[in-house]
Amino acid sequence: GDSVTQTEGPVTLSEGTSLTVNCSYETKQYPTLFWYVQYPGEGPQLLFKVPKANEKGSSRGFEATYNKEATSFHLQKASVQESDSAVYYCALSDRDYAQGLTFGLGTRVSVFP
Amino acid sequence: GPKVLQIPSHQIIDMGQMVTLNCDPVSNHLYFYWYKQILGQQMEFLVNFYNGKVMEKSKLFKDQFSVERPDGSYFTLKIQPTALEDSAVYFCASSLDQGSANTGQLYFGEGSKLTVL
Repeated sequence: GDSVTQTEGPVTLSEGTSLTVNCSYETKQYPTLFWYVQYPGEGPQLLFKVPKANEKGSSRGFEATYNKEATSFHLQKASVQESDSAVYYCALSDRDYAQGLTFGLGTRVSVFP
Repeated sequence: GPKVLQIPSHQIIDMGQMVTLNCDPVSNHLYFYWYKQILGQQMEFLVNFYNGKVMEKSKLFKDQFSVERPDGSYFTLKIQPTALEDSAVYFCASSLDQGSANTGQLYFGEGSKLTVL
């Protein structure tokens, strides 16, 4: 079945530094890839999605490129802020979208001033 | 943005009791989901529901689980009887479109934390 593997957290950073959260996936289908973010006390919300290979998605300064050859979808931000502290989930949905999304374990990111 | 509401936010019950978790999905959405997240583990798909029927369910969706959405009201997850391993946060989600890999965006509620003693 489908699977998603992410950087194991927690990741602790200082404001202004760069962030990379690695994500790799396995599927036999042609997935759409997602990054979701979950702030404390809230449900996961979509950060952005990329339906096609070799395309890039971005939102709120975060970006990720759908690398089909490497089966990766790494999340990056050049300069993080304290408000970026959250849990980040990489996820995929394949063409047979019966079961919703397959999520990674989530990576807790804590940014300190 | 669109909101999915879940009630209750936290419930503590004794093993063997029944529990109902309620979800008020986004108003024009057609597909509804429950996910289960045990502390420290990933969110895992339980079930999805469309047009009054369960479409797909995972191995985690035991016989003790049931879902319904009577007359367009809350989308509910009922567990009867509960077991210790049912302790988790249950997330409800809804989406407008299921069939396209180009969408597949889910809107999640804040979760209902269930503690079974």
